[in-house]
Amino acid sequence: DQQVKQNSPSLSVQEGRISILNCDYTNSMFDYFLWYKKYPAEGPTFLISISSIKDKNEDGRFTVFLNKSAKHLSLHIVPSQPGDSAVYFCAASGTGAGSYQLTFGKGTKLSVIP
Amino acid sequence: DARVTQTPRDKVTEMGQEVTMRCQPILGHNTVFWYRQTMMQGLELLAYFRNRAPLDDSGMPKDRFSAEMPDATLATLKIQPSEPRDSAVYFCASGRPEGLRNEQFFGPGTRLTVL
Repeated sequence: DQQVKQNSPSLSVQEGRISILNCDYTNSMFDYFLWYKKYPAEGPTFLISISSIKDKNEDGRFTVFLNKSAKHLSLHIVPSQPGDSAVYFCAASGTGAGSYQLTFGKGTKLSVIP
Repeated sequence: DARVTQTPRDKVTEMGQEVTMRCQPILGHNTVFWYRQTMMQGLELLAYFRNRAPLDDSGMPKDRFSAEMPDATLATLKIQPSEPRDSAVYFCASGRPEGLRNEQFFGPGTRLTVL
C-alpha cells in the first residue's frame, strides 16, 4: 500500500516554462512534507519542505503548495532550467515523538528541454 | 561543507560473500537511516538509529542483513551471505529532527552488484 504517490513517472517541459510536479498521500498522520532532487549516480538532495501548518513555501524558483483537505502537494519550478532535469521525489513524515522516518514516492523524472 | 560520506561507492561481489557498507553521518546529526533504491520499489527504508540506538529495522531481511552504529561517526550495513536480489544502490542519510522539521541528508550511495 503506497502511502505517498507520484502518479507521473516523467514530465517534459520547455526551458523557461513552469514545471509542476504532483504528489498525493493517504496517511492523515503525515504533517511534514519534503521534495528531493536526484541526479544519476548521486544521492537525493533536499530541495524544499513544508509543514502542515502552512499551505505554501517558497525558495527562489521553487514553491511547494500543500492542500491538506485533498491530501495533495505540488512543486512548482519557475522558470525551468536545463539543470533542473533530474528525478524528483516527494516524501512525508509525521512529527510526533518517534516519527523520524520519511516515506517516499517513486519519483518523477523531469526533463527540461533547451 | 558538511556531507554524509559512504564507502565503498561501488561493490561487485559474488553470491554468498559478505558485504559491508560504511557511512559517516554529518557531525551533530543524531539520526541515521539506511535506504535501498531499486527500480521496482523506489527508496525503501531498511533501518534507522537515533542517538546510536536502533529504532526500527523492520524493512531489513533479518536473516542476512544487519545494521550497527559502533560510534557516532560510523554506521555499518552488512549483508551475509549476499544474493543477486540484493543488487541495488544503498543510501545512508542523517538528520537532526527538531520540532516540525525533519530533513534528512543523503550520502552518494553504494552501488552493489551481486553476481
